[in-house]
Amino acid sequence: AQRVTQPEKLLSVFKGAPVELKCNYSYSGSPELFWYVQYSRQRLQLLLRHISRESIKGFTADLNKGETSFHLKKPFAQEEDSAMYYCALTRAAGNKLTFGGGTRVLVKP
Amino acid sequence: EADIYQTPRYLVIGTGKKITLECSQTMGHDKMYWYQQDPGMELHLIHYSYGVNSTEKGDLSSESTVSRIRTEHFPLTLESARPSHTSQYLCASSDGRGSTEAFFGQGTRLTVV
Repeated sequence: AQRVTQPEKLLSVFKGAPVELKCNYSYSGSPELFWYVQYSRQRLQLLLRHISRESIKGFTADLNKGETSFHLKKPFAQEEDSAMYYCALTRAAGNKLTFGGGTRVLVKP
Repeated sequence: EADIYQTPRYLVIGTGKKITLECSQTMGHDKMYWYQQDPGMELHLIHYSYGVNSTEKGDLSSESTVSRIRTEHFPLTLESARPSHTSQYLCASSDGRGSTEAFFGQGTRLTVV
């Protein structure tokens, strides 16, 4: 069975500080990993996916198959990054997403 | 405009009532999903559909049922609501053809009293 774990429920950082959200997964096959974000009063939306290897809004995430991790990082957090972040997994070419418990990020001025 | 819509946004209803949560998408997606989310908790897949007349139960057991008579419409029904059904319900869709991105609706927050 596939499982996604986000160990931090809340991350509070100051503006300009680095932020790293941890995500660990368990899956025996070849997974696709995603980060979804939900800003206040907005719907859940895709932030980035590992296969794109892109930086979105300054965020990057590297898939580490050896450590089964997909941590999300941003070197300089901004106040507008305050949101709920969810790590998610699906099997390759699949579509059913398994979500982690989410991490709330609060960026203080 | 292509989008995914959920109605109602909020619903407070008495125990024993039958309710239907609506979800429609104008994105032309074949695949649709229902997730349940308690406050501050993870999202759990309760139903999914890969096309018309195709419905499957998700990872989390749910007393709700779904139907997929039209591609764009994926309603969720509770025959007899109970306080334990109080939760947020999120509908999502994806095209599944080369892209695994799921698009979510605004959600329905259900409270059963």
